[in-house]
Amino acid sequence: SSELTQDPAVSVALGQTVRITCQGDSLRSYYASWYQQKPGQAPVLVIYGKNNRPSGIPDRFSGSSSGNTASLTITGAQAEDEADYYCNSRDSSGNHPRCVFGGGTKLTVL
Amino acid sequence: QVQLQQWGAGLLKPSETLSLTCAVYGGSFSGYYWSWIRQPPGKGLEWIGEINHSGSTNYNPSLKSRVTISVDTSKNQFSLKLSSVTAADTAVYYCATRRKGMLYGYYYYYMDVWGKGTTVTVSS
Repeated sequence: SSELTQDPAVSVALGQTVRITCQGDSLRSYYASWYQQKPGQAPVLVIYGKNNRPSGIPDRFSGSSSGNTASLTITGAQAEDEADYYCNSRDSSGNHPRCVFGGGTKLTVL
Repeated sequence: QVQLQQWGAGLLKPSETLSLTCAVYGGSFSGYYWSWIRQPPGKGLEWIGEINHSGSTNYNPSLKSRVTISVDTSKNQFSLKLSSVTAADTAVYYCATRRKGMLYGYYYYYMDVWGKGTTVTVSS
């Protein structure tokens, strides 16, 4: 079972704003990173660090964090944003550091 | 800009060893960690482990007993071996770069370049 918890599915009307959340104790110590994955494709990094976007990622994608919750916000969702979104964080709570993914959120753009 | 090219056997029988390799092109091989991630059909992403250019590794505890990740700095390549595979190991396997930063005393880790993925099927 994932130690980062995401809602399995979220929907948003075209052009509206949607927030996808990720909860976990490790997020109190580490910023999350966020990945977009479309069917049949490799994941693509969309947000990392406090709120950094890789080159080529539209500025409608933004990230934030508070306590044990990280959020990915899409402001003015587009049809091409329909995809699965995964959060990711470091976890050093055990004997050895590791990386953990959330279970993923399927975003539907209506 | 770093690019990753991965390859390996796509069809295995139960109890065999999965072997995949990922080559790094267009960037420095040292100074980063290199990761393996997998995704079973219809399911989410699972981190397998990582290695740096010096051979220092971190593994997912749930797979640690069967996983070996190694590096060949002369070829700018890193490899994954997963022993005693079963049908549960059927997945798309990805290699990726893993980078690290720090801001306001908080570390952050991210995987910014991914390979295209290799589909591995375990079936008798």
